[in-house]
Amino acid sequence: KAGVTQTPRYLIKTRGQQVTLSCSPISGHRSVSWYQQTPGQGLQFLFEYFSETQRNKGNFPGRFSGRQFSNSRSEMNVSTLELGDSALYLCASSLARDRGEKLFFGSGTQLSVL
Amino acid sequence: GQNIDQPTEMTATEGAIVQINCTYQTSGFNGLFWYQQHAGEAPTFLSYNVLDGLEEKGRFSSFLSRSKGYSYLLLKELQMKDSASYLCAVRDGSGNTGKLIFGQGTTLQVKP
Repeated sequence: KAGVTQTPRYLIKTRGQQVTLSCSPISGHRSVSWYQQTPGQGLQFLFEYFSETQRNKGNFPGRFSGRQFSNSRSEMNVSTLELGDSALYLCASSLARDRGEKLFFGSGTQLSVL
Repeated sequence: GQNIDQPTEMTATEGAIVQINCTYQTSGFNGLFWYQQHAGEAPTFLSYNVLDGLEEKGRFSSFLSRSKGYSYLLLKELQMKDSASYLCAVRDGSGNTGKLIFGQGTTLQVKP
């Protein structure tokens, strides 16, 4: 069974540009969550999508957005990039069926903003 | 507010036992997770506690006290491959949400 797949693995952008990251969850998983990981802040929750609907949102500006497709694949978009957006962006999927459902993480996309 | 605290760094010797503590203050509680993350890799699930007590899984055990807002991860018979970051996370919302609140992580270095 394939794990969570994130593309691209590395990305270099300049300030003001926009970027789209992609996440393919484990087959059968309907929930996809996105996290930002930085050395200073650790993992911070961005948002969660379930059955194509955003059902949870973290405390990030509106420049960060996402969507989920009917096949559960998800994309995350960051517009008007800032230097502080440099981070590892992790995607996690789960069945979201029972209380103790664990999250399965992808290896992430390392974004560098110059 | 939401707050999860764990030590930043720990060092231990191969073959020894190490305990990584985690304290939390969250608006809700629907379970506590421990994840392991090697440098440059994805976090991988280690344990889940929702009721008070000890959960044992091989060399790894995790304990929870909800009244104290406290958990620990116990690693026995340490191996060099256990050198990694250990992340404590709380699910404060509904039981199956993908939203977890993470601590900063504890970097464990295992020395020969």
